[in-house]
Amino acid sequence: TQLLEQSPQFLSIQEGENLTVYCNSSSVFSSLQWYRQEPGEGPVLLVTVVTGGEVKKLKRLTFQFGDARKDSSLHITAAQPGDTGLYLCAGGSSTGFQKLVFGTGTRLLVSP
Amino acid sequence: DAGVIQSPRHEVTEMGQEVTLRCKPISGHNSLFWYRQTMMRGLELLIYFNNNVPIDDSGMPEDRFSAKMPNASFSTLKIQPSEPRDSAVYFCASSIHQGRSPLHFGNGTRLTVT
Repeated sequence: TQLLEQSPQFLSIQEGENLTVYCNSSSVFSSLQWYRQEPGEGPVLLVTVVTGGEVKKLKRLTFQFGDARKDSSLHITAAQPGDTGLYLCAGGSSTGFQKLVFGTGTRLLVSP
Repeated sequence: DAGVIQSPRHEVTEMGQEVTLRCKPISGHNSLFWYRQTMMRGLELLIYFNNNVPIDDSGMPEDRFSAKMPNASFSTLKIQPSEPRDSAVYFCASSIHQGRSPLHFGNGTRLTVT
């Protein structure tokens, strides 16, 4: 069974601070997606990374896929209250991309 | 684009009762997924369909759970009989079965079994 462990589980910071969320596995994934989920809603895709070592930027968010495609990180620069939410990584299996395995989640709270 | 539509948003029922959750995927999407989310276990895949055909139901907890997709625009997840441990938020998601297309989630059904 493929497992994705995220750390930290919870993060409470002040507006303007930087943070990094990690997503780790012992398994190799063909691709990795990051989602953000707000209370009462379903997860919404932020980014997909598919190549080992790939780095993608989305405004203040920087995503990196590990060289061995077993891990990923999400870095947020100058966090804002609007970044508050549950961040989920999801790995695509080599046997079927659509069968995603979701990580344990990181709950982020950014206070003004 | 109306997005994935789930109903009801909230369901409260007593143990032993039958529960039916409904989902309308995004038009044109030919893959549909049912997930369950709890604090303890996170987001778990229950079953997914391609072109209305169940492809993988290995995540369905037990025989009390069943899912159908009679056509491309409708799917149901049924629990019979329901138990308190089934309490969770159930999400439906759809995607285009092509390349690395993202999942589009509905807003979920919060199920409480007392």
